[in-house]
Amino acid sequence: GQQLNQSPQSMFIQEGEDVSMNCTSSSIFNTWLWYKQEPGEGPVLLIALYKAGELTSNGRLTAQFGITRKDSFLNISASIPSDVGIYFCAGHTLTSGTYKYIFGTGTRLKVLA
Amino acid sequence: KAGVTQTPRYLIKTRGQQVTLSCSPISGHRSVSWYQQTPGQGLQFLFEYFSETQRNKGNFPGRFSGRQFSNSRSEMNVSTLELGDSALYLCASTVWTGENTGELFFGEGSRLTVL
Repeated sequence: GQQLNQSPQSMFIQEGEDVSMNCTSSSIFNTWLWYKQEPGEGPVLLIALYKAGELTSNGRLTAQFGITRKDSFLNISASIPSDVGIYFCAGHTLTSGTYKYIFGTGTRLKVLA
Repeated sequence: KAGVTQTPRYLIKTRGQQVTLSCSPISGHRSVSWYQQTPGQGLQFLFEYFSETQRNKGNFPGRFSGRQFSNSRSEMNVSTLELGDSALYLCASTVWTGENTGELFFGEGSRLTVL
């Protein structure tokens, strides 16, 4: 199935450090969504982006809609242990004549206290 | 307001059986979409329903089907189960804006294990 390139795949960081992850594609998107998923749970929406260049924050999280409309970035500042989980991007794009969301491969974040 | 509710949360079936999963979207949301999540393939789109009509469909075999009722609740069915159908099945409800976009709100999923 179709997936977006998301990097890094996983990362261990120290508590208090900043984290960056991104999603890239050759396709153009009209919306980017960022999610966090914890074991045994469904993805929880963190941030939604609708315009190229848009920068949106949600607490310690900041996400940007790339200018080219082909990528998006998520930053987490001053990480804490509860940030542990898998982070996904989702891009909304026209494919095969219909609009669909395509998901990134996920970034597994582990925070060391 | 209440979130997306999926039932059952966990189920175990054997090959060849069929299964029906249920999803109740957020009140007022008329669009429901279904996704399959596996470690190898990630989140893959199954289908989307809007006002009881299938509006969009992913690349899954005909064994996967769904429907939506007048109250926006949705069900998906998988017939003749295969081992590879073991996955977390996620339902998402959406309010689509006029610019053909919207946010997906997911339920907690139904974990299907096929033995």
